[in-house]
Amino acid sequence: AQKITQTQPGMFVQEKEAVTLDCTYDTSDPSYGLFWYKQPSSGEMIFLIYQGSYDQQNATEGRYSLNFQKARKSANLVISASQLGDSAMYFCALGSSNTGKLIFGQGTTLQVKP
Amino acid sequence: EPEVTQTPSHQVTQMGQEVILRCVPISNHLYFYWYRQILGQKVEFLVSFYNNEISEKSEIFDDQFSVERPDGSNFTLKIRSTKLEDSAMYFCASSPPAENTEAFFGQGTRLTVV
Repeated sequence: AQKITQTQPGMFVQEKEAVTLDCTYDTSDPSYGLFWYKQPSSGEMIFLIYQGSYDQQNATEGRYSLNFQKARKSANLVISASQLGDSAMYFCALGSSNTGKLIFGQGTTLQVKP
Repeated sequence: EPEVTQTPSHQVTQMGQEVILRCVPISNHLYFYWYRQILGQKVEFLVSFYNNEISEKSEIFDDQFSVERPDGSNFTLKIRSTKLEDSAMYFCASSPPAENTEAFFGQGTRLTVV
């Protein structure tokens, strides 16, 4: 069975500081992907970053990086130099290589303080 | 930039009525999905669709639900005999023909059953 867990319901960070959002997963698929999406208050789902299970290097995308530790089954999102516009809900998702469906975590609400 | 388009953005319906939520996926994508997000909760997978048939569905996707790709561009979710608990944001997503690539989400349809 596939499972994904985000243990932080809410996080605060000071503007311009870095923040780490936790995500752990469990799957029996040999090949899988880990995704992070941002959901602002307007409701849309915005793709941020992707990590493949066979990727040797941690993914980076601008201010976003993914701290992928395969042995520990964790895929934490690191946001550097936080901005007020980063305030949103963040979802970690596990992708199935067979059907492409995504299993989402419960989400973490991030608030950036000025 | 190509995007997934959903209509309507908001639908209010009487309990027991049928609704059809519409989506236009990105044109060269081959995998299509519907997800649901009850207010304040996580995003839940409903169904995936590939090669004109359902490739996977969740336990939420019972006989009340159906999907269709009536022509080359539209992808619809029909909910028969709506219930109060069907009130949620419904997201359509599509992804290209490659393993473990990001799913592009539409802006969602907020369904309110009264």
